[in-house]
Amino acid sequence: DQQVKQNSPSLSVQEGRISILNCDYTNSMFDYFLWYKKYPAEGPTFLISISSIKDKNEDGRFTVFLNKSAKHLSLHIVPSQPGDSAVYFCAAANAGGTSYGKLTFGQGTILTVHP
Amino acid sequence: GAGVSQSPRYKVAKRGQDVALRCDPISGHVSLFWYQQALGQGPEFLTYFQNEAQLDKSGLPSDRFFAERPEGSVSTLKIQRTQQEDSAVYLCASSRDRYEQYFGPGTRLTVT
Repeated sequence: DQQVKQNSPSLSVQEGRISILNCDYTNSMFDYFLWYKKYPAEGPTFLISISSIKDKNEDGRFTVFLNKSAKHLSLHIVPSQPGDSAVYFCAAANAGGTSYGKLTFGQGTILTVHP
Repeated sequence: GAGVSQSPRYKVAKRGQDVALRCDPISGHVSLFWYQQALGQGPEFLTYFQNEAQLDKSGLPSDRFFAERPEGSVSTLKIQRTQQEDSAVYLCASSRDRYEQYFGPGTRLTVT
């Protein structure tokens, strides 16, 4: 049972354009969401997060949007740069539960930004 | 400052062997997590420590998997009698708060 889904295995974007990565979740108890970026042979690196009390959070070139009614979130990268090429993971947590920060991850989306 | 380190980075084990994977978290981080990442998948939660207390081990796939963090710092994930399905990357993460977890580079375990 995949509670967090990233339905696009890969995305290819031209440098300078917008990258939009999508994520859907099924567990209505999730109330905190994060995006991680992973380069080969490295561990995931935290990018940006959003609590369910917000619908948008922005940090520089990165913006995360949350649509609770649709159980959907997206990560926008503007403008995209070749160094953004990596695997992006969406993750979710139940902040009100007893899971102490246990994250449930999606399968990942490989982003390639072409110069 | 130093990040999360894991050793070994690569481990090849014959089926049936025992293995021990080490994690050195960021100094001062109370929370420590172990995740298992199969090829082409996202990380899956294995277990969680708060200092030396193992508060959640619900993700450990079988009783062959055992984790400890005796002094609230370094942690070891032990897998007994390894099986081929144990082949994966094992990620350790530490955190000062709940959710912004800092991951190590992982240990890639291959069971032959």
